[in-house]
Amino acid sequence: NAGVMQNPRHLVRRRGQEARLRCSPMKGHSHVYWYRQLPEEGLKFMVYLQKENIIDESGMPKERFSAEFPKEGPSILRIQQVVRGDSAAYFCASSLGQKETQYFGPGTRLLVL
Amino acid sequence: KQEVTQIPAALSVPEGENLVLNCSFTDSAIYNLQWFRQDPGKGLTSLLLIQSSQREQTSGRLNASLDKSSGRSTLYIAASQPGDSATYLCAATQGGSEKLVFGKGTKLTVNP
Repeated sequence: NAGVMQNPRHLVRRRGQEARLRCSPMKGHSHVYWYRQLPEEGLKFMVYLQKENIIDESGMPKERFSAEFPKEGPSILRIQQVVRGDSAAYFCASSLGQKETQYFGPGTRLLVL
Repeated sequence: KQEVTQIPAALSVPEGENLVLNCSFTDSAIYNLQWFRQDPGKGLTSLLLIQSSQREQTSGRLNASLDKSSGRSTLYIAASQPGDSATYLCAATQGGSEKLVFGKGTKLTVNP
């Protein structure tokens, strides 16, 4: 059973471009979470999704950031018009259900030039 | 609002020593608490999950305890090895939600 998969592992964008980060949960998992780890800071929750539904987006910045988890395919975290402050490691996690262990992917390291 | 604190921020021990990592949280209305390890430049590996109704969990040389009344959890590592060197993260759910609130971690170095 493959773990949580994220791609790309590294992404370089120039200011103003768009970044698309993909996450494939573990097989059988329908709950997906996105977290961000800024340099020298701890991990911060961004959003919690189930298939086709956003359950909790209380950690998402109000502008430029969006997330989806369609019926088919991976979950996508989209950052429009990136700025240097968006440079961070973005981690996706998945779980089998509520109150279950969250398993993390290897992360996507975004660098904005 | 849940806040998670980990002490110490860094710890260096000789190989073979038993050690304890500490985690405290402010909101006791948690679903569960998880311990992870993170190696440099890598993702998080889940070590142990303790449900709110449990007092401890064990996996191999690791034992995690949970005391909701005092807002504390400890991770005990027996007979430490150089391969245990990593940053250990504690994360508690925020009351009534699935989101994990992380501490800043304890960076452990086990010297051969």
